[in-house]
Amino acid sequence: KAGVTQTPRYLIKTRGQQVTLSCSPISGHRSVSWYQQTPGQGLQFLFEYFSETQRNKGNFPGRFSGRQFSNSRSEMNVSTLELGDSALYLCASSLGGRRLLSTDTQYFGPGTRLTVL
Amino acid sequence: QKEVEQDPGPLSVPEGAIVSLNCTYSNSAFQYFMWYRQYSRKGPELLMYTYSSGNKEDGRFTAQVDKSSKYISLFIRDSQPSDSATYLCAMSDAGGGNKLTFGTGTQLKVEL
Repeated sequence: KAGVTQTPRYLIKTRGQQVTLSCSPISGHRSVSWYQQTPGQGLQFLFEYFSETQRNKGNFPGRFSGRQFSNSRSEMNVSTLELGDSALYLCASSLGGRRLLSTDTQYFGPGTRLTVL
Repeated sequence: QKEVEQDPGPLSVPEGAIVSLNCTYSNSAFQYFMWYRQYSRKGPELLMYTYSSGNKEDGRFTAQVDKSSKYISLFIRDSQPSDSATYLCAMSDAGGGNKLTFGTGTQLKVEL
């Protein structure tokens, strides 16, 4: 079974631009979560989508947004990029469900490394 | 103060040593506890998952959760150079869906 794929793997943008990152979950998984990883803050939860609906949201500004399509693929968008948005953006997929069950493991993709100049 | 605190290391041990990795947390609503391993330039992979307090063993890995102390641990027995990675603790509450709160990670190096 193919794992979680993220595209692109690397991205360089300048301040003020916007960016869209893509995540394809494992086949059959309906939940997709996004995380930002930086050396100083570690992994921080951005949002989770389940069946095309945002189910959870972290404490990030409105410049960070996302969506999920009917095939469970997800995109996240960052508008008006700032230098501090430079990070590894990780996507994780799972079967979904209201509770974290022993079988509802989150599988992470390799991430997209975003550099803002 | 962060909800989850984790010693960043780096931690360097000789091959064969027993490694102890720890996290403390402040949110008493956390009920699900995980340990992830992350190699350089890779995404995290789940090592251990426990619910509420207690111990769980899987091969060379043992996870312990003490909810009364808000303290979790991961023990690695007979450590190998291939265990060299960053270890992240993560946790969530019952109503949080798949929202995980992570520690900042401990960098481990197992030397020959």
